[in-house]
Amino acid sequence: EAQVTQNPRYLITVTGKKLTVTCSQNMNHEYMSWYRQDPGLGLRQIYYSMNVEVTDKGDVPEGYKVSRKEKRNFPLILESPSPNQTSLYFCASSYSTGHEQYFGPGTRLTVT
Amino acid sequence: QKEVEQNSGPLSVPEGAIASLNCTYSDRGSQSFFWYRQYSGKSPELIMSIYSNGDKEDGRFTAQLNKASQYVSLLIRDSQPSDSATYLCAVSAGGTSYGKLTFGQGTILTVHP
Repeated sequence: EAQVTQNPRYLITVTGKKLTVTCSQNMNHEYMSWYRQDPGLGLRQIYYSMNVEVTDKGDVPEGYKVSRKEKRNFPLILESPSPNQTSLYFCASSYSTGHEQYFGPGTRLTVT
Repeated sequence: QKEVEQNSGPLSVPEGAIASLNCTYSDRGSQSFFWYRQYSGKSPELIMSIYSNGDKEDGRFTAQLNKASQYVSLLIRDSQPSDSATYLCAVSAGGTSYGKLTFGQGTILTVHP
C-alpha cells in the first residue's frame, strides 16, 4: 500500500530534550516536506526537500532541522524543543516539486 | 497581506446546494494550485489540482483558476453531509522558491440535511 508513515504518532516531552520524528514514504517520491498545524494559523511549511541531499527552508524553520540522506526518509529533528513547538506535525511527499502531495497521519507533539 | 487567503468561514449550505470556496494569492509567479479536504483529526487529502487558467471538473467538484486576478476557487455541486470538512487552498511558489507550498487558513464547510 502506497503511504507516508510517521513515528511517533503522539509524543509528550520536556523542554530541551532532543527528539526526532521520522517520516518515510514507499512511493519513490522525490519531494518531501514537513508542516505544522496550529489552530487559527493553518498549515505552515517548516522544511522541504526536492531530492536526496537537497533541503530548503519553508515559512517556519526556526528550531527545526532536517536531513535527506535517503530518498524514502525525511526525519524532523528538534534539537532543543520549547513549548511553542507544541503542535500537530505532518509529513508529506509528492512525485516531484509542484505536484500533489500525500500526507502522513500526523504526529501530535506536546512540549512541557 | 497573507500570501494565501481564503474566504472567511464557516460556510453552511443545505444538502444539495452548491458550495463555493474562494482563495486569493499574492505571488504572481505561482505555478501550481491545490484544494485539500481535511476532516477533523485527520490528515489533508487532495481533492483537485489545477495548473492553467480555466475550469477543471472532477465529478461534483470544479476548480477554477484565474492567474490574472490571482484567484482560485472550488465549487462543490450537490453538496452532501459527508462534504462537511475544512477545505484548504494551497499554492506552490514560483521562481527560486518553487518547492515552497503555502496553505490558506482553511474554510470550514458544514452541509446540513
